[in-house]
Amino acid sequence: SQKIEQNSEALNIQEGKTATLTCNYTNYSPAYLQWYRQDPGRGPVFLLLIRENEKEKRKERLKVTFDTTLKQSLFHITASQPADSATYLCALVKREYGNKLVFGAGTILRVKS
Amino acid sequence: DTAVSQTPKYLVTQMGNDKSIKCEQNLGHDTMYWYKQDSKKFLKIMFSYNNKELIINETVPNRFSPKSPDKAHLNLHINSLELGDSAVYFCASSQVSYGPTDTQYFGPGTRLTVL
Repeated sequence: SQKIEQNSEALNIQEGKTATLTCNYTNYSPAYLQWYRQDPGRGPVFLLLIRENEKEKRKERLKVTFDTTLKQSLFHITASQPADSATYLCALVKREYGNKLVFGAGTILRVKS
Repeated sequence: DTAVSQTPKYLVTQMGNDKSIKCEQNLGHDTMYWYKQDSKKFLKIMFSYNNKELIINETVPNRFSPKSPDKAHLNLHINSLELGDSAVYFCASSQVSYGPTDTQYFGPGTRLTVL
């Protein structure tokens, strides 16, 4: 069966450290993968997109890697801040008309000062 | 200047009632979506419309009926509400329905509670 798995437990880190979140998938051949941030009581907000032929993508303090052999994406936040505390969702885009996003359950990140 | 808006924000109703949630986007996007986020936080797509045409219809009970009067609006009507319908419903939009720039913009969500 098809699965997208993210760390089910919350990730607690100290301010200034690098947070690394994992997204693993099975039985998918995604065209690309997206990461979203969701704050309590709000809708997800798009952060980064990485294509299957890209190894790494960066945006300011954010970095995403995509390993189609391992079927894994890693999401890094460097120099983390308390304001980075949120739930981070990975989503696969399937190769079919309709731009169908399939989301993982998300990982809660808590950055402590 | 809200990009994707939904009304109402909260909806509390009795089992068996019929209710609607409205969604509007002012981004000029062609594609709109409805998602359901349950208590376990899984966000699952329900429907997608591209320029008023239904393109994704997941396995959703017939009690749920989307309606798109124009490409800027996608409403969700739910008949005979059940306890299991309690969830947060998100509307989203994207510029195209398939392509490299198809990031999705989400509304603030509607928390539906069925008593």
